[in-house]
Amino acid sequence: QVQLVESGGGVVQPGRSLRLSCTASGFTFSDYSMHWVRQAPGKGLEWVAVNWYNGDNKKYADSVKGRFTISRDNSKNTLYLQIDSLRVDDTAVYYCVRDPLAVGGHYLDYWGLGTLVAVSS
Amino acid sequence: EIVMTQSPATVSVSPGERVTLSCRTSQSVESDLAWYQQKPGQAPRLLIHDASTRATGIPARFSGSGSGTEFTLTISSLQFEDFAVYFCQQYDDWPLAFGQGTRLEIK
Repeated sequence: QVQLVESGGGVVQPGRSLRLSCTASGFTFSDYSMHWVRQAPGKGLEWVAVNWYNGDNKKYADSVKGRFTISRDNSKNTLYLQIDSLRVDDTAVYYCVRDPLAVGGHYLDYWGLGTLVAVSS
Repeated sequence: EIVMTQSPATVSVSPGERVTLSCRTSQSVESDLAWYQQKPGQAPRLLIHDASTRATGIPARFSGSGSGTEFTLTISSLQFEDFAVYFCQQYDDWPLAFGQGTRLEIK
C-alpha cells in the first residue's frame, strides 16, 4: 500500500532554515509527481510546491517562491522541502502528497500524515 | 489565480439525512475539480476527482456533480463517520487552489 512518511519538522526561530523529508513506499516513486501542501493551525489547505517525476520541473506558490526549494532523490524514494528564512506565518502542518500522474498538476490521491513546523522566537 | 468559494462554511445535519455542499470557482475549471474529506487530526482523503468520479474505496453515498464554475458534493444518507470538514480543489490551472472548507456537524 502507498505510504508517505514526513519528517524534519519542529520548533524553529524566525529567519532560520529547515529541511523536510518525505519517504515514499508502496509504489514506483519515480513514476509520479509529488507535492507539498500545508495547513496552518485551524485553517484550510494551501498548495506549496510540486516536483515532477524526473525532478526537472518544479512549480511554487507565490507565497513561498524564493524561500522554499522542492527536490527529490528517486534513488532514495524521498521528496524534500528546503525552507529558508522561516517566518511566523510558515507555521503549519506540511503534508507530502502524491499526484496521480508523472507530469504534475492534478488532484492529489495519497497524503502523508504530515509534519508540524512551528516558527516562534 | 483561481479563487475558490465554498458554501456554507458550516452546516448542521442529522444522521440519515442528505446534504449538498457547494464549491464555486472564479473562472471555469471545466471538470478539473476534486473533493477531500478531513477529520480532526488526520490528513485529507480524496473523495471525488474529475468533478464526479469517486476515488477508490469511496462509498456510493458520496457523489459529485457540476462543471465550469459550479460544483456540488452530495452525501445521500449521512453516517456518523461523515461528520468532518470537506474541501474542494481545482487543478485546471496553476497554482492549484483549495476552497476554505465546509464543516459538516451533527445536528
